[in-house]
Amino acid sequence: GIQVEQSPPDLILQEGANSTLRCNFSDSVNNLQWFHQNPWGQLINLFYIPSGTKQNGRLSATTVATERYSLLYISSSQTTDSGVYFCAVDPAGYALNFGKGTSLLVTP
Amino acid sequence: DTAVSQTPKYLVTQMGNDKSIKCEQNLGHDTMYWYKQDSKKFLKIMFSYNNKELIINETVPNRFSPKSPDKAHLNLHINSLELGDSAVYFCASSRTVNQPQHFGDGTRLSIL
Repeated sequence: GIQVEQSPPDLILQEGANSTLRCNFSDSVNNLQWFHQNPWGQLINLFYIPSGTKQNGRLSATTVATERYSLLYISSSQTTDSGVYFCAVDPAGYALNFGKGTSLLVTP
Repeated sequence: DTAVSQTPKYLVTQMGNDKSIKCEQNLGHDTMYWYKQDSKKFLKIMFSYNNKELIINETVPNRFSPKSPDKAHLNLHINSLELGDSAVYFCASSRTVNQPQHFGDGTRLSIL
């Protein structure tokens, strides 16, 4: 099956700092999504981005499908950004395959 | 309005029991899913349904049986619960295949 690798696995930032999270995948995909799992366990849909660039407030994402990677940018991080960020890809259109996530802690 | 809702939110039960988790979506979506998140937070697909028809069953033990009475509901029945079934189960839906998936808040299942 398709492999999804996320880096870094863990990240600690001071409030106000910027960061880039990376997702590499091993095959072409029809769907790529970024999620934030907050400390209460909810999976929040951040971006649906099989290709191109999108921005939503302090967050933006870029997927280069031909090179099989996606990047999630977090600018001016806040403590509420803490949690686990998952990249998930769907090669066939029927199910998301998740990476292991990047665990982010933003300190005051 | 909750788009994808699961009940119950928490489920604590004894080994060997049979239990059900309900999922409903009010988005008018055709495709629904069940995912399992283990203790290491790894998320894995269990089932995918499109227009009430099963399209994916990812080597899940047959003690797990999904049932879709209509396109808005996909319930998960689990027979003879085992300790290894302890996990968080997420329901999701999408307008159709190849569309963004929206997740419920999860059901935390604990087996004693």
